[in-house]
Amino acid sequence: QVQLVESGGGVVQPGRSLRLSCAASGFTFSTYPMHWVRQAPGKGLEWVTLISFDGSNQYYADSVKGRFTISRDNSKNTLYLQMNSLRPEDTAVYHCARETTVTLKTSHHSHFDYWGQGTLVTVSS
Amino acid sequence: DIQMTQSPSSLSASVGDRVTITCRASQSINGHLNWYQQRPGKAPKLLIYAASSLQSGVPSRFSGSGSGTDFTLTITSLQPEDFATYSCQQTNSIPLTFGGGTKVEIK
Repeated sequence: QVQLVESGGGVVQPGRSLRLSCAASGFTFSTYPMHWVRQAPGKGLEWVTLISFDGSNQYYADSVKGRFTISRDNSKNTLYLQMNSLRPEDTAVYHCARETTVTLKTSHHSHFDYWGQGTLVTVSS
Repeated sequence: DIQMTQSPSSLSASVGDRVTITCRASQSINGHLNWYQQRPGKAPKLLIYAASSLQSGVPSRFSGSGSGTDFTLTITSLQPEDFATYSCQQTNSIPLTFGGGTKVEIK
């Protein structure tokens, strides 16, 4: 069965760095685009970043652009999120998610069909 | 960026009730609208994709409708396990955006 397991969260001081990992299993990881989505305490879901299936393209939310870097190692079935210059407002549970695209009446529709449980990142002095 | 506005932000309902949650996009999203359910401390779960397609394994009491900018999630007969937070998401354009969520609580 499909599993996504995040790790690497913890408490970090403002301005420091942290790297999150997402270990994937149960599917052909190298054929799916992958995302990171975060949820601050008591808040809604916020999309963070996307990487294409082969790692050749990445996209970021403005709130993290220039500070976060998404990457993947398809040989290890692992997704990463390198977070630099962390701010208190980056405090959140970070989920990785698999994107699946279906074709309906010639239109391609994407959705996140599997999510990990998340890893908590707390940025505080 | 496309803004997604959900309403209500919370509601109280009883088991067996019909519940409707609305999501409005700031511009047309061409049906690229998904709905997720999230229970406390758990990962979001996909319910509906492409505005009205039911994800495999999701009970048929869940349904989605809408087009253009206005979309609806309906639960026809609320069950105890349905008390959770529901969020819409647009995947029409990057940055992908979510609605603020609707918390469905027990009356």
